[in-house]
Amino acid sequence: SQQGEEDPQALSIQEGENATMNCSYKTSINNLQWYRQNSGRGLVHLILIRSNEREKHSGRLRVTLDTSKKSSSLLITASRAADTASYFCATDGISSGSARQLTFGSGTQLTVLP
Amino acid sequence: DAGVTQSPTHLIKTRGQQVTLRCSPISGHKSVSWYQQVLGQGPQFIFQYYEKEERGRGNFPDRFSARQFPNYSSELNVNALLLGDSALYLCASSLLANQETQYFGPGTRLLVL
Repeated sequence: SQQGEEDPQALSIQEGENATMNCSYKTSINNLQWYRQNSGRGLVHLILIRSNEREKHSGRLRVTLDTSKKSSSLLITASRAADTASYFCATDGISSGSARQLTFGSGTQLTVLP
Repeated sequence: DAGVTQSPTHLIKTRGQQVTLRCSPISGHKSVSWYQQVLGQGPQFIFQYYEKEERGRGNFPDRFSARQFPNYSSELNVNALLLGDSALYLCASSLLANQETQYFGPGTRLLVL
């Protein structure tokens, strides 16, 4: 089952604008990660934020985490057409047998128009 | 260095058949995890293997099985295929079992008719 939901499900913006995606989750986490997926292919790791962190930056990406609200947001600044992809948040918990299990949300489809 | 590789890229099977998917992790990585991604949804965890042993299993039936070889490559087997098994199957590797970041392969797209 999915850990949580991304919001919005789909987002369309003009090149140069900022894109904000939100993620909510249900259980306690070790960390939360954001991934990008182009055209139903493999996932590319973007950024990881630990449960004791509130904000993190990487290039044009800014991630926030509010553990009290069990939510996170991903901001992509100055978007480019190449940012068009599906974006997933994934929470990192420990499954039975001490496996490292990522639990993904349902994703946000971002379209950046040139 | 090569990333995670998976084979085949695409596969078509009929209901009731069996399928084997293969994954080669990044060189030096000892942990392999498998995920199933149904169209329109996020990936769901199936298995993690580390040092040839199963470390965890998601909520999947016993028709799904996997193994890891001495060179750390892995196979995912699915028996008695159902239409609902149609999905993108993703393999991810990490250096250690408890490493936070996993590196995903391009996936194998399975269609069950």
